[in-house]
Amino acid sequence: GAVVSQHPSWVICKSGTSVKIECRSLDFQATTMFWYRQFPKQSLMLMATSNEGSKATYEQGVEKDKFLINHASLTLSTLTVTSAHPEDSSFYICSANGLAGLNEQFFGPGTRLTVL
Amino acid sequence: AQKVTQAQTEISVVEKEDVTLDCVYETRDTTYYLFWYKQPPSGELVFLIRRNSFDEQNEISGRYSWNFQKSTSSFNFTITASQVVDSAVYFCALSEAGTGRRALTFGSGTRLQVQP
Repeated sequence: GAVVSQHPSWVICKSGTSVKIECRSLDFQATTMFWYRQFPKQSLMLMATSNEGSKATYEQGVEKDKFLINHASLTLSTLTVTSAHPEDSSFYICSANGLAGLNEQFFGPGTRLTVL
Repeated sequence: AQKVTQAQTEISVVEKEDVTLDCVYETRDTTYYLFWYKQPPSGELVFLIRRNSFDEQNEISGRYSWNFQKSTSSFNFTITASQVVDSAVYFCALSEAGTGRRALTFGSGTRLQVQP
């Protein structure tokens, strides 16, 4: 089956630093990847849609200058949290659509970010 | 706009009891997909089922069964003879195929605790 990996699985950083999270489709090409955020005991909320070779589309209320998304290849999308603050602490999950599967979504294992 | 409602925040049952998790959705699309995911404490989403809007047949997979009723916009999930390992948060989700928006809209989740 299709596998999506995320790296790192967890990260702790100091306030003000930037953190990069990678999302890779390991055995398929993903034209579209999605980034979700999940605060403790809450649901997953879509942050942005990442399309290979073009700019990401951000959901309302998500600061594009703070959450930089790059989808440079069909197998890799990165989310960079710039100048992270404690309120950015959350569980970040990516998912990928395959080329053939119209609504087949494959989720990564998630990255837990803690900002001190 | 699409919306998924999981009215049950938390359910506690004793092992071997049957339990039904409710999901009600709203969408303007005639073509859409419904999903159920399990999220254990590790955080990784476990895919359980995907159902498209044209297929109203109920489905059974082992101890799991799903009841899709378009007339009431519901997609309920039943676990028969629950086990402690079923303890997790369960999310119902929706994506709209017609608009091409493949990102999932998640419900708020239902935390299921199965007591031994």
